[in-house]
Amino acid sequence: RKEVEQDPGPFNVPEGATVAFNCTYSNSASQSFFWYRQDCRKEPKLLMSVYSSGNEDGRFTAQLNRASQYISLLIRDSKLSDSATYLCVVNGDTGRRALTFGSGTRLQVQP
Amino acid sequence: DVKVTQSSRYLVKRTGEKVFLECVQDMDHENMFWYRQDPGLGLRLIYFSYDVKMKEKGDIPEGYSVSREKKERFSLILESASTNQTSMYLCASSLSGVDNEQFFGPGTRLTVL
Repeated sequence: RKEVEQDPGPFNVPEGATVAFNCTYSNSASQSFFWYRQDCRKEPKLLMSVYSSGNEDGRFTAQLNRASQYISLLIRDSKLSDSATYLCVVNGDTGRRALTFGSGTRLQVQP
Repeated sequence: DVKVTQSSRYLVKRTGEKVFLECVQDMDHENMFWYRQDPGLGLRLIYFSYDVKMKEKGDIPEGYSVSREKKERFSLILESASTNQTSMYLCASSLSGVDNEQFFGPGTRLTVL
C-alpha cells in the first residue's frame, strides 16, 4: 500500500463550482500535512499546511481526519486559474527528515 | 525572491554515460532534496541532505549518488545512465527540520537513449 494515496482525476468542473479532493495516508503516526500545487510543466509550490482543527485560506479549506487517516482540500468558487495538479504531502515517517508526496489529483476548471 | 536553479532544463544522454545534475539554492537552506517525477508515480525521493557532506537515502537511491560539498549546491550523479532513468528530476531546498516549505527548482527533463 502506498504511503499517500490520491485519486488521480481528472476532476472536470465548471467555473464557480465547489470541488473537494481527499487523500489517505497509511502511517497513523504522521504529524505534518500539506497541500502543494503543481501547474502543468512547472514545479510544485506550497499551497497550504493542514492543521488538526482545519484551516482556511480564502477559497481554500483544508481538513484533517486523524481517525480515518485522510486529509481533504475544498475549493469554493473555482476559477480557471485553479486548474492544476494538487499534491497531498505527509510526513509519513517520524524517523525520517523528509516528506512523502502523493501522486496528485488533476483539476481542470472549464469556462 | 527565493531561488532554486538547476543546471539544465533538458538533457539527452546515452546508456552507460555518467550524468551530473546540479542544483543551487540562494536561500541559505540547510536541507536539499532530489526527486524524480514520473506519470502516475508522483514525486519519489532519491536522496536528501540536511547539512554539508551529509546525505540520506530516500525511497529510490539505487543507481544514483549525491554530493554536497557546499551548502548551496547539491549534485545528483547517475554513475551509469540507463533508459529507466529517463525522467523529470526536481531539486528542492528547505530550512532545517522536516516541516518547512520546500522550494523547488524548475526541473531537468533527462532522456537516456
